[in-house]
Order: sequence, then C-alpha cells, then structure tokens
Amino acid sequence: ETGVTQTPRHLVMGMTNKKSLKCEQHLGHNAMYWYKQSAKKPLELMFVYNFKEQTENNSVPSRFSPECPNSSHLFLHLHTLQPEDSALYLCASSQEGGGPGNIQYFGAGTRLSVL
Amino acid sequence: EDQVTQSPEALRLQEGESSSLNCSYTVSGLRGLFWYRQDPGKGPEFLFTLYSAGEEKEKERLKATLTKKESFLHITAPKPEDSATYLCAVRYSSASKIIFGSGTRLSIRP
Repeated sequence: ETGVTQTPRHLVMGMTNKKSLKCEQHLGHNAMYWYKQSAKKPLELMFVYNFKEQTENNSVPSRFSPECPNSSHLFLHLHTLQPEDSALYLCASSQEGGGPGNIQYFGAGTRLSVL
Repeated sequence: EDQVTQSPEALRLQEGESSSLNCSYTVSGLRGLFWYRQDPGKGPEFLFTLYSAGEEKEKERLKATLTKKESFLHITAPKPEDSATYLCAVRYSSASKIIFGSGTRLSIRP
C-alpha cells in the first residue's frame, strides 16, 4: 500500500458516541496532520505532530483528542460531538527538516456525520 | 492578519479556453506556496510548490507563478478532466503555520 490511508471513509455517529479515526502513512515521513474541511470553508489545520510530538493545536475543542503512537500512525478520538462537527476530516503527512517548506500529502479523508 | 484569498470562487470555461486562477497572500516569513487539486470525495492532490518570487513551475496544461504578494495558476487549453477544485496553501513563519485558501471550483465544458 502507498501514500496516506484513512479509515473509515464514512462515519455516522450520535452525539453521545465515542469513535476514532485512523490514519497511516507509508511514505516514511516524520510529521502528520489533522485537518477539518467543512462546506464553503477553507481547510482548517487542527493538530500537528512532528517526530510523534504534538507541536500545534489550533484551539480545537477537547472533544477531539489526537494520538500519535509512532511516526506512521495518527488517530483522532471523538467523543460527545456536536452536529456542527460534521465535516470531511483529512490526514496529511510530510517530511520536515529538509527544506524551507515541505510538501504535505493527503489521505482521501473520513466523511463524518454527527446526528 | 495572516490571510490567503483565492479568486474567483468558481470558474466555468469552454474546453480549450485558457484562463488563470489567483491566490493572494498576506503573511510574514513565507516558507512556501503550494497548489493542490481536489476532486469531489477525495483528498487534495499535490501539484506545485513555489518558494521565492519569480519562480515558475509547469506540468502538462498547468503553470504556476509566484510574486511577493500572489500566485497564479495558469491553465492552457483545458480539458473536461481538468475540472476540480484548486486549492492554494501558504506555509509561513514556522513549519507548523499553514493557511489554505477557500479554493476555486473549475468546471470545463466539452
């Protein structure tokens, strides 16, 4: 398998459920990202992990909890979400430290619907 | 305020009709400007990265250029398969600072 893989591709959950999104990168990169993409809005950077350490948290509500056990895997744990959290959640990876601005490669995303 | 603005929001062209998409930015310490293509239901696909004013990159019918304030994505003699949303992103200040524009939805009619 190549590139960045996200599972599941689609997820429907109630407001009281707990679920997790998974991302795996097969590119040998050292940084991983979670983005939220809502209709009519730009991609919003949520979390950044560099060498497994969280380096950015863009004021994301605590109902979203990231986990990065190693440089190839990234999870987004979800609990007590709100309907406005319905969106496409994208994972990306990049190789940091090798230049002024490194390229992010994206997965296909998880389409999340909160009922 | 750090900002990335793309225009137009949507563009409909006839097959073969060349045009340009714009990405203007106001950030300090530019570390790279990136163009992506996104098809419905898929993640963004990397097209180009530009690092300094005056730089140009080309790929098939697409050409990206960069100035100190904006970037253009020129599309020459487009085909229906070029229909997609084109996203611009800017990295600045540090590796973790990234802003995406809202995108341009490009539709090419046969």
